[in-house]
Amino acid sequence: DQQVKQNSPSLSVQEGRISILNCDYTNSMFDYFLWYKKYPAEGPTFLISISSIKDKNEDGRFTVFLNKSAKHLSLHIVPSQPGDSAVYFCAASAFDSGAGSYQLTFGKGTKLSVIP
Amino acid sequence: DGGITQSPKYLFRKEGQNVTLSCEQNLNHDAMYWYRQDPGQGLRLIYYSQIVNDFQKGDIAEGYSVSREKKESFPLTVTSAQKNPTAFYLCASSIGERLRNQPQHFGDGTRLSIL
Repeated sequence: DQQVKQNSPSLSVQEGRISILNCDYTNSMFDYFLWYKKYPAEGPTFLISISSIKDKNEDGRFTVFLNKSAKHLSLHIVPSQPGDSAVYFCAASAFDSGAGSYQLTFGKGTKLSVIP
Repeated sequence: DGGITQSPKYLFRKEGQNVTLSCEQNLNHDAMYWYRQDPGQGLRLIYYSQIVNDFQKGDIAEGYSVSREKKESFPLTVTSAQKNPTAFYLCASSIGERLRNQPQHFGDGTRLSIL
């Protein structure tokens, strides 16, 4: 049972336009959400995060929006650049009372291709 | 430069062999993690450690073992009991498991293949 879903396996966008990557979650206990970017044969790189007490967080060209009522978050990249072409993973964190720690749950990723 | 170093980048194993993947961090992070990534899949948690000499099973711990004798090091052993070990293995660390809202930072991974 996937608690974090990225329903689009891939996305193609023209250079200079906006890229919108979507993520849905089912666990209402998630209170911290992250986006990672991954190139082939490399580890994921942390991009941006948002706490559940906010609905928007911006960092340069990257903005994350959180809609708690819809259990939905999205990553906007404006303007998109060819170097943004990578796989983007959405992740969510909740406190695991059994383990006494916070755990990250990842989506399956969306492959973004930015076309020059 | 501070970071997480995984070695080797590529590793080959014969059937029935145990292999150990190295993960070292110089970020002074308390928490360390091992994930497995399969094609078209997200990252799945194998083991994690909140502090030296302590570690916990993740979602897919069967066939794996770890140790945490030093803060900087969290090696993962893929045992012969792991029936499908071919995958991309990622190590990560974070400041502290009990702190809220702390991102995990990843190494560049080790790709394990069966000969």
